[in-house]
Amino acid sequence: AQSVSQHNHHVILSEAASLELGCNYSYGGTVNLFWYVQYPGQHLQLLLKYFSGDPLVKGIKGFEAEFIKSKFSFNLRKPSVQWSDTAEYFCAVNKRGNTGKLIFGQGTTLQVKP
Amino acid sequence: GAGVSQSPSNKVTEKGKDVELRCDPISGHTALYWYRQSLGQGLEFLIYFQGNSAPDKSGLPSDRFSAERTGGSVSTLTIQRTQQEDSAVYLCASSLPGLATEAFFGQGTRLTVV
Repeated sequence: AQSVSQHNHHVILSEAASLELGCNYSYGGTVNLFWYVQYPGQHLQLLLKYFSGDPLVKGIKGFEAEFIKSKFSFNLRKPSVQWSDTAEYFCAVNKRGNTGKLIFGQGTTLQVKP
Repeated sequence: GAGVSQSPSNKVTEKGKDVELRCDPISGHTALYWYRQSLGQGLEFLIYFQGNSAPDKSGLPSDRFSAERTGGSVSTLTIQRTQQEDSAVYLCASSLPGLATEAFFGQGTRLTVV
């Protein structure tokens, strides 16, 4: 069965620090990969996505993620975080195609100290 | 509306009562998902509808949970004989048909069983 694992459950950083959130998935087929973000009091919104092509994808607000197929990983990175990046981050995967339900990781809470 | 709409936004119910949660997906989105978000539990997949295909109910936690989607649009998630452990935020999402599409989420319904 598909599963998604996020290694960091709670991360605390100071502003301007670099961020890397780990995400590994278990599925052998062709997949789509996503990072969603949930800011306090707001609904889930897409941060970035990988469908095909360049494995390094760039999203909103300076975030990027790299798909490494051999490692089944899709880690999220940002070179310099801001206080406004405080949120919960979810990695998600689905099988390419119309029948692919979206499976989420447990989420990582990021707290950025000003 | 422009986004996924869920109602009610908050629901407090007594243990043992039935509840219905509603989701209006984005027009034209053939895929519809229900998730449950509990504190520290991430997003738990419940059920997935895709067009006229049989829904994927593999995530429903018990037979007290059911969902239907009428006319390929509005969906209702019903929880019978609610229990305190059903307290959570129930999220609905929808997406376009296609091999690689992203899901758009509603604001959720916060269910509290007392």
